[in-house]
Amino acid sequence: DAGVIQSPRHEVTEMGQEVTLRCKPISGHDYLFWYRQTMMRGLELLIYFNNNVPIDDSGMPEDRFSAKMPNASFSTLKIQPSEPRDSAVYFCASSPDGLHYGYTFGSGTRLTVV
Amino acid sequence: QKEVEQNSGPLSVPEGAIASLNCTYSDRGSQSFFWYRQYSGKSPELIMSIYSNGDKEDGRFTAQLNKASQYVSLLIRDSQPSDSATYLCAGTFSGGYNKLIFGAGTRLAVHP
Repeated sequence: DAGVIQSPRHEVTEMGQEVTLRCKPISGHDYLFWYRQTMMRGLELLIYFNNNVPIDDSGMPEDRFSAKMPNASFSTLKIQPSEPRDSAVYFCASSPDGLHYGYTFGSGTRLTVV
Repeated sequence: QKEVEQNSGPLSVPEGAIASLNCTYSDRGSQSFFWYRQYSGKSPELIMSIYSNGDKEDGRFTAQLNKASQYVSLLIRDSQPSDSATYLCAGTFSGGYNKLIFGAGTRLAVHP
């Protein structure tokens, strides 16, 4: 099992540009989560999906953020337009049931917006 | 507001000692709790889960849960320098939502 795969590992972009982060969950995991981690705010849940359907997006900071999961093996998190305060490490995680088995995290994408 | 609280540390212990990491949570309906370890620059890694009151042991790690006091702890016996990392406590909360809320993490430093 290759684990949760995220791309790119690092992204540096200019303010105002569109950024797309990608995630491939572990096969068979029905839940997919997007988290953001900063020194100030720790790990924050942005949105999660169950069977490709968005269940809770209350953590998405504003309309500039959007997430999709077109199929069971792929999800994207898009920021448009990006701002310097979006700089953080973005993690994708997946879980078989979202409750008892915990989550497996991907390696993360370090986003820097200049 | 669902919250998980941890002391940010750093918690410094000598090699071979027991490290005790603590966590409190605000929602009495919480069901499941997890401890993750995160090395600097890496992603969180699951090390323990606990669902029932009492202790759960796995190798050098023991997780303890007290739902009446809304308290979770992690004990690391025979601490090693390789245990130096940030330890994140996380819980699922009532309301039917299968999502983990994380604490800010406690940084552990094990010195030789």
